[in-house]
Amino acid sequence: EDKVVQSPLSLVVHEGDTVTLNCSYEVTNFRSLLWYKQEKKAPTFLFMLTSSGIEKKSGRLSSILDKKELFSILNITATQTGDSAIYLCAETSGSRLTFGEGTQLTVNP
Amino acid sequence: DSGVTQTPKHLITATGQRVTLRCSPRSGDLSVYWYQQSLDQGLQFLIQYYNGEERAKGNILERFSAQQFPDLHSELNLSSLELGDSALYFCASSPRGTNEKLFFGSGTQLSVL
Repeated sequence: EDKVVQSPLSLVVHEGDTVTLNCSYEVTNFRSLLWYKQEKKAPTFLFMLTSSGIEKKSGRLSSILDKKELFSILNITATQTGDSAIYLCAETSGSRLTFGEGTQLTVNP
Repeated sequence: DSGVTQTPKHLITATGQRVTLRCSPRSGDLSVYWYQQSLDQGLQFLIQYYNGEERAKGNILERFSAQQFPDLHSELNLSSLELGDSALYFCASSPRGTNEKLFFGSGTQLSVL
């Protein structure tokens, strides 16, 4: 069965800190890895990674995939209180997305 | 706004009852997914439909069923409800239904009392 594991499960930082969120996966037919941000209700899409070693970047957020070691990281630099959310990692080995449990990030002023 | 519409936003019902959750996908998307999110289990995949046909099944209980209609909207039916069915139920859609990002609705918060 496909498995996605995220760490840490929760993280509390101060504004301005840099954080790294981890996602490891065990899948039989990996195709891509996705990151989502969930604030109040609906998860919103951040990144989709299919190629190893290529960094995707959007403002203060960036992500990279290592297909050899089967993991991905999400970096957030100069964190703001608005970054407080659950960050979800998911893989698409088939037609569905299999999600990890998420990392609850809290950014304090 | 993702373009995926779910109704109702909140639903409170009693054990043993039956409810129907409704989802309208983004315009042009052929695939609809249903996920369940409870406090201790994260987002669990229930079922996927593509252009009216069931494509993939996850951890969906026999008491639950779904369908996708010709206009591509989908309904998730939950019957003989138990306390443990209380959760946030998300619908998501995508254009082709394979190896692509999903767009999520705002969810239906189901409380079974």
